[in-house]
Amino acid sequence: DIVMTQGALPNPVPSGESASITCQSSKSLLHSNGKTYLNWYLQRPGQSPQLLIYWMSTRASGVSDRFSGSGSGTDFTLKISSVEAEDVGVYYCQQFLEYPRTFGGGTKLELK
Amino acid sequence: EVQLVESGGGLVQPGRSLKLSCAASGFTFSNYYMAWVRQAPKKGLEWVATISTSGSRTYYPDSVKGRFTISRDNAKSSLYLQMNSLKSEDTATYYCARQSNWEPSFDYWGQGVMVTVSS
Repeated sequence: DIVMTQGALPNPVPSGESASITCQSSKSLLHSNGKTYLNWYLQRPGQSPQLLIYWMSTRASGVSDRFSGSGSGTDFTLKISSVEAEDVGVYYCQQFLEYPRTFGGGTKLELK
Repeated sequence: EVQLVESGGGLVQPGRSLKLSCAASGFTFSNYYMAWVRQAPKKGLEWVATISTSGSRTYYPDSVKGRFTISRDNAKSSLYLQMNSLKSEDTATYYCARQSNWEPSFDYWGQGVMVTVSS
């Protein structure tokens, strides 16, 4: 199984500052088609998860351009520029390259 | 508007069975792979099962293989999860999720249903 490992944030993050969340996979998520099968989700308090980023760097429909994804085959970063109150919650990375689909343990973002 | 509404959760004793349902609307259900994802209390997300559009292919992690069965009824736009031989570690909120056809991800999620396995 592909193991996904997420880093922690130095919480709380001051409003208006940027925040970067890291994720590492135990196997390269780069597909032969040239796309990297890494997703990011946000779960706000008391809500279901929502898709933010797919293919490592493509924003899902309706997602603010303050969110950006980057990385290589095994090391990934979700950057949130100018953090706002609505960004508070737990962020999960997920690999969609193969079964079983696996998630990182989550990274909590708190606002100062 | 895409909607996924789960039902069927509750309190069940260890070793017993429970069947979850997910009613889908707002999209052509038969055109999408569907999945179940769970979240134990105060824990992270765990993928539980995926089913193909026709139901002919199903996928499970080792933690539930042989105990859980995912199925669907395209005529009723409904997804199911039959859970047998339940264990305390199956206690979680279970989410129904749609797998996007174009972006490899879960693009819509239900509100979740709680399953508690306890004597």
